[in-house]
Amino acid sequence: GEDVEQSLFLSVREGDSSVINCTYTDSSSTYLYWYKQEPGAGLQLLTYIFSNMDMKQDQRLTVLLNKKDKHLSLRIADTQTGDSAIYFCAESIDRDDKIIFGKGTRLHILP
Amino acid sequence: EPEVTQTPSHQVTQMGQEVILRCVPISNHLYFYWYRQILGQKVEFLVSFYNNEISEKSEIFDDQFSVERPDGSNFTLKIRSTKLEDSAMYFCASSENRAKGRVNTEAFFGQGTRLTVV
Repeated sequence: GEDVEQSLFLSVREGDSSVINCTYTDSSSTYLYWYKQEPGAGLQLLTYIFSNMDMKQDQRLTVLLNKKDKHLSLRIADTQTGDSAIYFCAESIDRDDKIIFGKGTRLHILP
Repeated sequence: EPEVTQTPSHQVTQMGQEVILRCVPISNHLYFYWYRQILGQKVEFLVSFYNNEISEKSEIFDDQFSVERPDGSNFTLKIRSTKLEDSAMYFCASSENRAKGRVNTEAFFGQGTRLTVV
């Protein structure tokens, strides 16, 4: 069945780059997402990538997709204290389809 | 910026009671969803709703659950007889229909309702 796996915790020093990794099982996934959840808030879509892309860059965010290995990563350059949140990797077959989420990676920023 | 709003933000209910979680999706959206997140676990899909009917539901969405769009703005999730294991954060989401020749926009999520069953 569909499954999305990611590590649960990541600690990074302020100013360093954060890399959050994710693997998924469904090869028919067309859309791969990164959502951010700050404490007490909802799920905010950070970025997404189509399965026919290898990379997408948006300001400090870089998404890399290795479709062969079903591996997705999110790199946050120059990590700030405001980046402290839970980051969810997710996938769907179509944009109107249900979204399958990972458990989320809690990013902790060290001073 | 338009947003999905959910009420209440936190609801405590006794086991066996009925509970209704309310959502106001973004006004021009046509697809509506409910997800839930049990503490420490994944965000799980419950149900999607389009054109006044359920388009897909997960195995979690059993006969205890129902959804309704009672008017033009609200989208509700009802749990008929709550169980302890229904305690979770419930997220509502909405998305715009895929118009001809245009890729659909993302699903927008509300801030969630934390349901605690005691």
